[in-house]
Amino acid sequence: NAGVTQTPKFRVLKTGQSMTLLCAQDMNHEYMYWYRQDPGMGLRLIHYSVGEGTTAKGEVPDGYNVSRLKKQNFLLGLESAAPSQTSVYFCASSYRTGKGNQPQHFGDGTRLSIL
Amino acid sequence: AQKITQTQPGMFVQEKEAVTLDCTYDTSDPSYGLFWYKQPSSGEMIFLIYQGSYDQQNATEGRYSLNFQKARKSANLVISASQLGDSAMYFCAMLASGGSYIPTFGRGTSLIVHP
Repeated sequence: NAGVTQTPKFRVLKTGQSMTLLCAQDMNHEYMYWYRQDPGMGLRLIHYSVGEGTTAKGEVPDGYNVSRLKKQNFLLGLESAAPSQTSVYFCASSYRTGKGNQPQHFGDGTRLSIL
Repeated sequence: AQKITQTQPGMFVQEKEAVTLDCTYDTSDPSYGLFWYKQPSSGEMIFLIYQGSYDQQNATEGRYSLNFQKARKSANLVISASQLGDSAMYFCAMLASGGSYIPTFGRGTSLIVHP
């Protein structure tokens, strides 16, 4: 059982380049999330999705776009990478949280460096 | 607005002793869930324990227990009989109905267990 899989695990980009991070989950979860983690800042929500074909902005959405064309996949795009986007990116998924009782399942993270 | 505060950036504990990691939360919603996650140095996020706002008893999972004081809006994690493998970052998180059950995370507490 793979759970949540993030691709790639590491990447180095030059300023201005674009790339897409892929998240795939095999647990049939409705909700999916993208976070970035920076030292001393905890996890900050970039975008999230409550179902196939729907996305919404989180706390720090600027410079990122997302798409959820299939229930099991959630893509995070950087159109023009900036050094401020150097971070560790986590994808997570969960069942619908109608009572706030569903924990999130996380991928192993993607370490992204922008030069 | 939902908010999670973890006031201890770092904690130290002797092996086999108990340790309490603090978490306070702010929400006006009657229905919410509180979670603790562990992030070892390897980077993955591991779900530890959950407490619902209507739960009458404190949650326990093995050596982990959650000291839930609703009136004080605190949800402290207690780790009994600390082990070297407990050294990690610990994050408190909340899902609340007013936040559309989108998670809010604290900034984390770094725990180091000394032999």
